[in-house]
Amino acid sequence: GNSVTQMEGPVTLSEEAFLTINCTYTATGYPSLFWYVQYPGEGLQLLLKATKADDKGSNKGFEATYRKETTSFHLEKGSVQVSDSAVYFCALIPIIQGAQKLVFGQGTRLTINP
Amino acid sequence: DTGVSQNPRHKITKRGQNVTFRCDPISEHNRLYWYRQTLGQGPEFLTYFQNEAQLEKSRLLSDRFSAERPKGSFSTLEIQRTEQGDSAMYLCASEGRLNTEAFFGQGTRLTVV
Repeated sequence: GNSVTQMEGPVTLSEEAFLTINCTYTATGYPSLFWYVQYPGEGLQLLLKATKADDKGSNKGFEATYRKETTSFHLEKGSVQVSDSAVYFCALIPIIQGAQKLVFGQGTRLTINP
Repeated sequence: DTGVSQNPRHKITKRGQNVTFRCDPISEHNRLYWYRQTLGQGPEFLTYFQNEAQLEKSRLLSDRFSAERPKGSFSTLEIQRTEQGDSAMYLCASEGRLNTEAFFGQGTRLTVV
């Protein structure tokens, strides 16, 4: 079946530290891959996405590269800020389909201390 | 456009009672999705509509659950005879005709006591 596994949280870092949140997936074919973010008290927001192997998604200083050989889509940011504190979800949409039926990982809570 | 709106934001109910949640999608978005998120887990797909047609239901959606989107605009999710295991955050998302992104509401948190 289709599934997403994220690194266990919570993750606590100091401001300006380097961030990596690991994400691996299991899927048939070539899924589209996503990172969503949920800030406190808000709904899920799309952070970035990649639709084919070797694509790099980027937004707000965050990046993730679609690695088919390792079935991974790790999220990175070179210098985190307090405002990046949130829960981050890795997700996929299996193969090519018309609907946004997302399969999510369990989420990783990130806290950035000043 | 104020985004996807869900009501109520919180609902506490006694076991065995029926509850109904409402989702107002972004105007003119033709697809609407329902997800369920339990504590410490990611959202899980429940069902989705294209306009007023319910096109798919997850096996997670037991017979006690029913969703409607009668005019292709807002949607309701009803849970009959609630059980403690139904306690979760229920999320709604909508998607426009370009099929590029699902926009999520803030969710309805259900607590069954």
